[in-house]
Amino acid sequence: NAGVMQNPRHLVRRRGQEARLRCSPMKGHSHVYWYRQLPEEGLKFMVYLQKENIIDESGMPKERFSAEFPKEGPSILRIQQVVRGDSAAYFCASSPGTGVRGYTFGSGTRLTVV
Amino acid sequence: DQQVKQNSPSLSVQEGRISILNCDYTNSMFDYFLWYKKYPAEGPTFLISISSIKDKNEDGRFTVFLNKSAKHLSLHIVPSQPGDSAVYFCAASVAGSQGNLIFGKGTKLSVKP
Repeated sequence: NAGVMQNPRHLVRRRGQEARLRCSPMKGHSHVYWYRQLPEEGLKFMVYLQKENIIDESGMPKERFSAEFPKEGPSILRIQQVVRGDSAAYFCASSPGTGVRGYTFGSGTRLTVV
Repeated sequence: DQQVKQNSPSLSVQEGRISILNCDYTNSMFDYFLWYKKYPAEGPTFLISISSIKDKNEDGRFTVFLNKSAKHLSLHIVPSQPGDSAVYFCAASVAGSQGNLIFGKGTKLSVKP
């Protein structure tokens, strides 16, 4: 039973390009959460999704960032027109239901904007 | 405004001794607290949790203490082992929330052989 799978592990983008980060939740988990960790900081909540629905996007920057969790396939975090300040580690977590019990994190995607 | 604070960025402990990691919070609506361990280039791994209705939870070498009046929790690791060297994050969730966690900035624990 594979854990939460994130890819790519490392992503380098030039300023102005688009970044797409993927997250496949654990088998049986239908709830996905995205977090961002800036250097020397803790993880900050970005968005919570269930299949085909965004439940809470209160942590998402208002512009350039979007997320989806389609009926089939992984959850995608999309960052358009990346800037240097987007460089961070992006972690995805999944859970079997609402709430923090059973929360499992992936290994993250480290985005570097050059 | 940091709702979950880990004021010690780092802690160094001798192998076999006790490690005590501290966490303070400001939001009285938090009802569930968790500790995560994180190695470089990996995601956080769940370690232990405690509900606000309890003041202590123990799991092997790890014990979490919660002092609600002081809005303070601590993680005790006894005895500490070199493999415990990692960054430890304290996290909290609000009663009735959808499951998003509020994290502290972490404490880097180094256990010296």
